[in-house]
Amino acid sequence: KAGVTQTPRYLIKTRGQQVTLSCSPISGHRSVSWYQQTPGQGLQFLFEYFSETQRNKGNFPGRFSGRQFSNSRSEMNVSTLELGDSALYLCASSLRTGVSYEQYFGPGTRLTVT
Amino acid sequence: GQQLNQSPQSMFIQEGEDVSMNCTSSSIFNTWLWYKQDPGEGPVLLIALYKAGELTSNGRLTAQFGITRKDSFLNISASIPSDVGIYFCAGQLFQDGSSNTGKLIFGQGTTLQVKP
Repeated sequence: KAGVTQTPRYLIKTRGQQVTLSCSPISGHRSVSWYQQTPGQGLQFLFEYFSETQRNKGNFPGRFSGRQFSNSRSEMNVSTLELGDSALYLCASSLRTGVSYEQYFGPGTRLTVT
Repeated sequence: GQQLNQSPQSMFIQEGEDVSMNCTSSSIFNTWLWYKQDPGEGPVLLIALYKAGELTSNGRLTAQFGITRKDSFLNISASIPSDVGIYFCAGQLFQDGSSNTGKLIFGQGTTLQVKP
């Protein structure tokens, strides 16, 4: 079974631009979560989508948004990029079966804002 | 943002030694997950824990879900060079009796270096 895939793997953008990142979850997983990872703040939760609806949201400004499609694929968008948005953006898909819950991560998209 | 307290921050050990790291929180969690991350890659799930007191092994790795539901530890026995990496604990927040949220709270990570 294929794992979580993210595209692109690397991205360089300029301040003020916007960016869209894509994530394809593991087949059969309906929940997709997004995280930002930086050396200073560690792994921080951005938001989660389940069945095309945002189910949970972290403490990030409105410039960060996302959506999920009917095939569970998800995108996240960052508008008006700032230097501090440079980070590794990780997507994770999860499956709950009974009491079992596991969340699997993709390889991430490394975003550099100049 | 909210984070778990993970310690130690880093460890430099000799190959063959055992390693122990732990996470504590002021919040109750209903699920603890342990991940390993290599440079430039996403975290890889190592062990998942679902019940207070639960002890689970995965090869040379053993993890336990604390009785109070506010802590967890991970042990690595007989370390080898490929154990090098950053280890993260993650807790799934227990909210309103439902554990369906996909939000994980992460520790700061433990960087492990193994000397051959």
